[in-house]
Amino acid sequence: DTAVSQTPKYLVTQMGNDKSIKCEQNLGHDTMYWYKQDSKKFLKIMFSYNNKELIINETVPNRFSPKSPDKAHLNLHINSLELGDSAVYFCASSQGVNTYNEQFFGPGTRLTVL
Amino acid sequence: DQQVKQNSPSLSVQEGRISILNCDYTNSMFDYFLWYKKYPAEGPTFLISISSIKDKNEDGRFTVFLNKSAKHLSLHIVPSQPGDSAVYFCAASGEGSSNTGKLIFGQGTTLQVKP
Repeated sequence: DTAVSQTPKYLVTQMGNDKSIKCEQNLGHDTMYWYKQDSKKFLKIMFSYNNKELIINETVPNRFSPKSPDKAHLNLHINSLELGDSAVYFCASSQGVNTYNEQFFGPGTRLTVL
Repeated sequence: DQQVKQNSPSLSVQEGRISILNCDYTNSMFDYFLWYKKYPAEGPTFLISISSIKDKNEDGRFTVFLNKSAKHLSLHIVPSQPGDSAVYFCAASGEGSSNTGKLIFGQGTTLQVKP
């Protein structure tokens, strides 16, 4: 009965490969997010979707493409992986886009690019 | 150009004592501040928040103080318990971003509470 789940938990891959990370929430929320925690430990927002519509798109390389097939899912596809993409990626969800609405985070996916 | 900074990477306190975690921000347009707590191998979980119209918000053992003139906030945990050992993230929003869900996070402070 996990609220926000991500798969896989760990992902090790070679430079140049394409990979996807999946996120699902069963909280009935209408807004979902992707965050990246870099080597300096800052959590930085990448994307957010509200009712499958893109709301936030930070200065992220276009090799990163989010896909929201429905309100409960927000997947992250990364093309042509680079060493600098190694990080922990967190998915989150909230009811509504307002920052006053608590964001619930998944457990994270640790991506290692070799 | 990190707008939210937690300058202490770690903090160690004795059980029963007070833990004080600090956070500084640079953007005066921020109007809402949050603290999240993170255990290893888990995602961050919301702990407590404060609006810029207040200078203090309390929830049980947790109190957040906001000093707008200094652009500084702190989280006080009293009394500290071993189960409080975790990474604490400070976050902020504002500058028109409150209606997009955009949060700016600090880099976290690892709190260790010793029995």
